[in-house]
Amino acid sequence: NAGVTQTPKFRVLKTGQSMTLLCAQDMNHEYMYWYRQDPGMGLRLIHYSVGEGTTAKGEVPDGYNVSRLKKQNFLLGLESAAPSQTSVYFCASSVTPPGDSYNEQFFGPGTRLTVL
Amino acid sequence: RKEVEQDPGPFNVPEGATVAFNCTYSNSASQSFFWYRQDCRKEPKLLMSVYSSGNEDGRFTAQLNRASQYISLLIRDSKLSDSATYLCVVNSAGGNKLVFGAGTILRVKS
Repeated sequence: NAGVTQTPKFRVLKTGQSMTLLCAQDMNHEYMYWYRQDPGMGLRLIHYSVGEGTTAKGEVPDGYNVSRLKKQNFLLGLESAAPSQTSVYFCASSVTPPGDSYNEQFFGPGTRLTVL
Repeated sequence: RKEVEQDPGPFNVPEGATVAFNCTYSNSASQSFFWYRQDCRKEPKLLMSVYSSGNEDGRFTAQLNRASQYISLLIRDSKLSDSATYLCVVNSAGGNKLVFGAGTILRVKS
């Protein structure tokens, strides 16, 4: 039982390049999330999914796209990377929805992305 | 004003000390509250949920004050292994997402 895994762990991109971050969970969770974490700021929600085939925008969705074709996978895409997207990206999943009084979110180890 | 605010610290305390963190939130309609712990360069992990009646888990006690819109975390008998960043987390107005504070850094020294 690996929990939540993310690939890659590290990546350096040049401005304008594209890439996809992969998140996988083996806990059969319905809900999945992508966050970014920057120094001095809390985790900010980029996009989330309430089930296979569904996605929704979070707090900071601009410049990112997502897909949830399979329940266990949640992909985050950067079509044209910008230096402002340099950050640590965390994927998370949960069995209950975010508004639930016991919404424990399980996080992956993170992807450190640098855009030059 | 940030939706969730925390003192960034760092709080430097000796082993065995008692330390408390507060966190304020701006949305009076928030219903769910949590403390997460994040070790350096690691992912956040749930430490405990915060209930209206307050709750305790070993050396950790969490309290909620709805009137003043803050939650607190008390750590008794601090251990070196408690050194981490503690994230205050609140559900958003619509209840469809969690809002994370920037975290409070705790350093426990021998």
